[in-house]
Amino acid sequence: NAGVTQTPKFQVLKTGQSMTLQCAQDMNHEYMSWYRQDPGMGLRLIHYSVGAGITDQGEVPNGYNVSRSTTEDFPLRLLSAAPSQTSVYFCASSYSGGATVREKLFFGSGTQLSVL
Amino acid sequence: AQKITQTQPGMFVQEKEAVTLDCTYDTSDQSYGLFWYKQPSSGEMIFLIYQGSYDEQNATEGRYSLNFQKARKSANLVISASQLGDSAMYFCAMREAFDQGAQKLVFGQGTRLTINP
Repeated sequence: NAGVTQTPKFQVLKTGQSMTLQCAQDMNHEYMSWYRQDPGMGLRLIHYSVGAGITDQGEVPNGYNVSRSTTEDFPLRLLSAAPSQTSVYFCASSYSGGATVREKLFFGSGTQLSVL
Repeated sequence: AQKITQTQPGMFVQEKEAVTLDCTYDTSDQSYGLFWYKQPSSGEMIFLIYQGSYDEQNATEGRYSLNFQKARKSANLVISASQLGDSAMYFCAMREAFDQGAQKLVFGQGTRLTINP
């Protein structure tokens, strides 16, 4: 059972380039989300999805785009990378995300992104 | 306003000692959940323990316990008999029930714990 799989693990971009961070889960989870982790700021929610075809913005959505065409996949797109987007990105999922406050998140291993 | 506050950026503890990591939270909701995650140097996020706002007893999971003081809005993590492998970043997080169906987990800034031999 792979859980939540993120690719790539590391990425270096130049300012203005675009790229997609991939996230896939094999646990049949309805809820998927993207966080970024910056020193001294913890993890901040970028976008989330409660099911295929449904997405919504989190705390820091600007500069990022998401879509959810299948239950398994939730890619994060950087349309025009900026140095401020240098961060560690985590994808996370849970069974429903909305049924109860006690649902824990399952995290991927993270993607370290540097924008030069 | 900061919903989750972890006031200790770093802590240093001797091996085998107990350690308490502080977490205070801010919510007007009556139903909420509090979580602690561990992030070792390898970077993955590991779930440690959960406390619900209506749980009558403090949560425990092995060497981890949660000192939940609802009136003070604090949810401190206690690690008993610390081990070298406990050295990591620790995050406190909260999910509120009223927040669009409990879909958002909000994290604190984290505390970096170092266990000295």
